[in-house]
Amino acid sequence: DSGVTQTPKHLITATGQRVTLRCSPRSGDLSVYWYQQSLDQGLQFLIHYYNGEERAKGNILERFSAQQFPDLHSELNLSSLELGDSALYFCASSVATSGASTDTQYFGPGTRLTVL
Amino acid sequence: GENVEQHPSTLSVQEGDSAVIKCTYSDSASNYFPWYKQELGKRPQLIIDIRSNVGEKKDQRIAVTLNKTAKHFSLHITETQPEDSAVYFCAASKAGYSTLTFGKGTMLLVSP
Repeated sequence: DSGVTQTPKHLITATGQRVTLRCSPRSGDLSVYWYQQSLDQGLQFLIHYYNGEERAKGNILERFSAQQFPDLHSELNLSSLELGDSALYFCASSVATSGASTDTQYFGPGTRLTVL
Repeated sequence: GENVEQHPSTLSVQEGDSAVIKCTYSDSASNYFPWYKQELGKRPQLIIDIRSNVGEKKDQRIAVTLNKTAKHFSLHITETQPEDSAVYFCAASKAGYSTLTFGKGTMLLVSP
């Protein structure tokens, strides 16, 4: 157990719908990262938040958005869902953000999203 | 941006053999290289990492080597066991950034 929690574990929804994925980082970690994992694309970085502020964006679609709350939990919102959005969504957390070195990222168990 | 290539995509070995997975990266400013193991349907778990100020790091049966000049790093697993079967991902990150760029993964199959 990494200490990172994600809910829900599984989510099944229809095209055009909107869903929210939730992540709670390890105690003391200020950074949260979101990744999408699909069979053909591997682990793709989506977005990074540090202490409530967006720090970096990766291959995140405009239909997707995220935020980190004062208690440091984060939510990833996916809207106008398409079949191709079906994937495993992981969040990871680390102690801090940029600096001289990169901190280890610890992954949560993931949310499996199926869009029908 | 950073690009990480990983080879091979699949690797089959007999129990007790060694396994080597190789990665190359494109950004010479990258200085942190973790390896993650992911079992089917589970989360990626960090197994070892190396920073650019060292050339090799070992942890029991696992070792990672880094060649900064050639911009490649490798994972070595000795005395493989069936429980080593999983997908292994390499990644790279550079100083001042927390973003990890992952390779496509290597599926390691260890046969008893």
